[in-house]
Amino acid sequence: DVKVTQSSRYLVKRTGEKVFLECVQDMDHENMFWYRQDPGLGLRLIYFSYDVKMKEKGDIPEGYSVSREKKERFSLILESASTNQTSMYLCASSSHPGRGGGYTFGSGTRLTVV
Amino acid sequence: AQSVTQLDSQVPVFEEAPVELRCNYSSSVSVYLFWYVQYPNQGLQLLLKYLSGSTLVKGINGFEAEFNKSQTSFHLRKPSVHISDTAEYFCAVSDREADSWGKLQFGAGTQVVVTP
Repeated sequence: DVKVTQSSRYLVKRTGEKVFLECVQDMDHENMFWYRQDPGLGLRLIYFSYDVKMKEKGDIPEGYSVSREKKERFSLILESASTNQTSMYLCASSSHPGRGGGYTFGSGTRLTVV
Repeated sequence: AQSVTQLDSQVPVFEEAPVELRCNYSSSVSVYLFWYVQYPNQGLQLLLKYLSGSTLVKGINGFEAEFNKSQTSFHLRKPSVHISDTAEYFCAVSDREADSWGKLQFGAGTQVVVTP
C-alpha cells in the first residue's frame, strides 16, 4: 500500500523554537507539498517541491522554509515558532500532473505552539 | 489563479437520505477536478476525480459527481448516506494550462453530519 508518512501526529512546541516537520513518501513521486489546515479556511499551500533541491513558495510561505535533499523526503521548517502557527499540517505527494493522479496525503501533524 | 467555493459549510442529513455537496470554481479553462474526504484526525483521502471524458464520475463509497463546464461546477452526490459518511469533504481544482506542477486549489470544506 502506497504511503505518505508524517513523522509526528501531535507536537507541542514553545514560542521561538525551531520546529521540523518530516514527510516521507514511497511512491517515487516527483512533486511534494506542504499545506496547513485551519477551520473555515480549508487547505492553504505553504511550499511545494517538484524535484530534489527545488522548491517554490505557495500562498502562505512567511515564517516557513523547506528542504528536499532526497526525492522521498520533504521537510517543513518553522524557523521561530509562533502561536499563530498552531495548526494542522498536511503533507502530500503527486506524480506528474499529466498523469492526473491527484494527491496522496499523509495523516497530518497537529502542531500546538505555546 | 483558481478559486474554489463550497457553498455550504455544514450539511446535516439523516441516515439513508440523499446528500448533495456543491462546489463551484472560478475559471472555465481546462481543469482537473477532485473531491476528497477527511475523517476525524486523519489526512485527506481521494473520493473521485474528473480528468476528461464522461462528465459523470463515480467514486468510492457510492459517491458520484457531475462536471458542468458551463456552470463551472462539480457537485458531489450520494443517494443514501450512512453514519460512517460523517466527515469533512473538500473540493479541489487544478488548472491544466496555467500550472505545470499540478497544484491543487482547495475549497474551505463542507462538514457532513449524518444522524440516525
